[in-house]
Amino acid sequence: GQNIDQPTEMTATEGAIVQINCTYQTSGFNGLFWYQQHAGEAPTFLSYNVLDGLEEKGRFSSFLSRSKGYSYLLLKELQMKDSASYLCACMDSNYQLIWGAGTKLIIKP
Amino acid sequence: ETGVTQTPRHLVMGMTNKKSLKCEQHLGHNAMYWYKQSAKKPLELMFVYNFKEQTENNSVPSRFSPECPNSSHLFLHLHTLQPEDSALYLCASSRNRDSNTEAFFGQGTRLTVV
Repeated sequence: GQNIDQPTEMTATEGAIVQINCTYQTSGFNGLFWYQQHAGEAPTFLSYNVLDGLEEKGRFSSFLSRSKGYSYLLLKELQMKDSASYLCACMDSNYQLIWGAGTKLIIKP
Repeated sequence: ETGVTQTPRHLVMGMTNKKSLKCEQHLGHNAMYWYKQSAKKPLELMFVYNFKEQTENNSVPSRFSPECPNSSHLFLHLHTLQPEDSALYLCASSRNRDSNTEAFFGQGTRLTVV
């Protein structure tokens, strides 16, 4: 079956760095997405990886290893506004998105 | 402003009521989606429309009925729902169904069935 695993909840300190991991098993692979979702709001697109390696975009970076079925989202210089849920989603060979349950990130002062 | 607008934002309905959720996108996309989001669970894909044609129905009960009159508008008609249908219903759009481009989401309708 198809499956995405990510931690349910993580806590980090303002100004620090946090890494949110995601492992996946899918039928085929057409890329991996990360979304941010603040409580009561729409999920918003953060990053897309289809090739191995690190993609950096400001304070956020996303890494992919296709051979290991593994990705992570790295958030640097954490700010209070980064408190949100982070959703990992993998696109299978049929271009269908398989979603993880999301990681709730709590930022403490 | 996400480009995808959903109404209403909140809805409380009885099990015998009939109501409709509305979604509109101003992004020129050809694919539109309905998702169900329950607490601590992955997003569940319900329906997919591509160029106004329904391409997927992921074993959704018939008490949920989608309608897509054009590529910019999507409705979800609800009738005789159950309390377990209470959830956040998200609409999304993307350029096309079979492309690896990101989806854009609306803010969702928080549905409570009493």
